Amino acid sequence: EAGVAQSPRYKIIEKRQSVAFWCNPISGHATLYWYQQILGQGPKLLIQFQNNGVVDDSQLPKDRFSAERLKGVDSTLKIQPAKLEDSAVYLCASSRDFSSYEQYFGPGTRLTVT
Amino acid sequence: EDQVTQSPEALRLQEGESSSLNCSYTVSGLRGLFWYRQDPGKGPEFLFTLYSAGEEKEKERLKATLTKKESFLHITAPKPEDSATYLCAVQARGGTSYGKLTFGQGTILTVHP
Repeated sequence: EAGVAQSPRYKIIEKRQSVAFWCNPISGHATLYWYQQILGQGPKLLIQFQNNGVVDDSQLPKDRFSAERLKGVDSTLKIQPAKLEDSAVYLCASSRDFSSYEQYFGPGTRLTVT
Repeated sequence: EDQVTQSPEALRLQEGESSSLNCSYTVSGLRGLFWYRQDPGKGPEFLFTLYSAGEEKEKERLKATLTKKESFLHITAPKPEDSATYLCAVQARGGTSYGKLTFGQGTILTVHP
């Protein structure tokens, strides 16, 4: 079974630029999560999708971050404009559905904002 | 608000020297407590889920236990390949996000040969 795929793996941008990350979850997984992991910290949930609907985006900075999962499969997370404090690893995870216990993580995208 | 605190922040062991990592948590109603392993440059890898106090689970040299306030990850006779960051997370019952994981900051384990 293929795991969660993410791209790009690394991205370097200047502040005030925009960036987008892509995630393809495990086949058949209805629930998709985006987490932000700042160096030295544990991951923090940004947004959770159930199929193509948003379940929780309470910790998403909506003035600059947006995410979509149009067909209930792939998802895109965008930052516009980026700030220095957005430098982090952005992790995508998926689970069979919202009642499933285990979440499976992708390799992450490391973002550096200069 | 759910909170997870892990200790120590870093742990250095000699190969074969057993030890334990601690995860203290507060949550409105525990649905599950999770242990993940994270290698540098990779995403967290699922290890265990514990559901209720008194439960124990084992996998190779790792054993996870759970009480009402904390969880321990015991490492018996560790090897250098066990070196990684170990993350603890809790999932609360109910609330706005049924699947949300709240993570601790992790324990960086280094095992020297």
